[in-house]
Amino acid sequence: GQNIDQPTEMTATEGAIVQINCTYQTSGFNGLFWYQQHAGEAPTFLSYNVLDGLEEKGRFSSFLSRSKGYSYLLLKELQMKDSASYLCAVMDSNYQLIWGAGTKLIIKP
Amino acid sequence: GAVVSQHPSWVICKSGTSVKIECRSLDFQATTMFWYRQFPKQSLMLMATSNEGSKATYEQGVEKDKFLINHASLTLSTLTVTSAHPEDSSFYICSARDRDSGDTGELFFGEGSRLTVL
Repeated sequence: GQNIDQPTEMTATEGAIVQINCTYQTSGFNGLFWYQQHAGEAPTFLSYNVLDGLEEKGRFSSFLSRSKGYSYLLLKELQMKDSASYLCAVMDSNYQLIWGAGTKLIIKP
Repeated sequence: GAVVSQHPSWVICKSGTSVKIECRSLDFQATTMFWYRQFPKQSLMLMATSNEGSKATYEQGVEKDKFLINHASLTLSTLTVTSAHPEDSSFYICSARDRDSGDTGELFFGEGSRLTVL
């Protein structure tokens, strides 16, 4: 079956760096997405990786290794507003998005 | 970025009534829209894929007669929860992809609709 694994919850300190990992097993691969979702709100797009390597976008970076079925989202200079759930989603061979359960990130002062 | 508008944001209804939720792409055209349901502290669960001008594709376990989807134009899809019951209370979210961006383009999400069935 298809499976996306990411930690349920992580805690980090304001100003620090945190890495949220995501491993996947899917039927085919057409890219991996990271979304941010604040409580009670809809997800917002953060990044898309389809080739191996690191994609940097401001304080957020996303890494992909297709051979390992692995990605991570790196958040630098954490701010309190970064407290949210981070969803990893993989697009399979049918262009269907398979969603992870999300990682709740708690930022402490 | 592109905007997807979802309405209503909140709805409370009595058990047995029907509720319609609208999803509009405001500045792009979408041949495909997606409807999700999300229970508290859980991830998005795809309910169905809405295709403009044709029948929706429902995920396994989702009752198509209960969750009616209509995608009458390139900018509007509607989800109607028929004969709603308390167990249908959830956060319903739609998303859409610009038809010009291909199958791997960014998904844009509506604001979500929180349904409470009394």
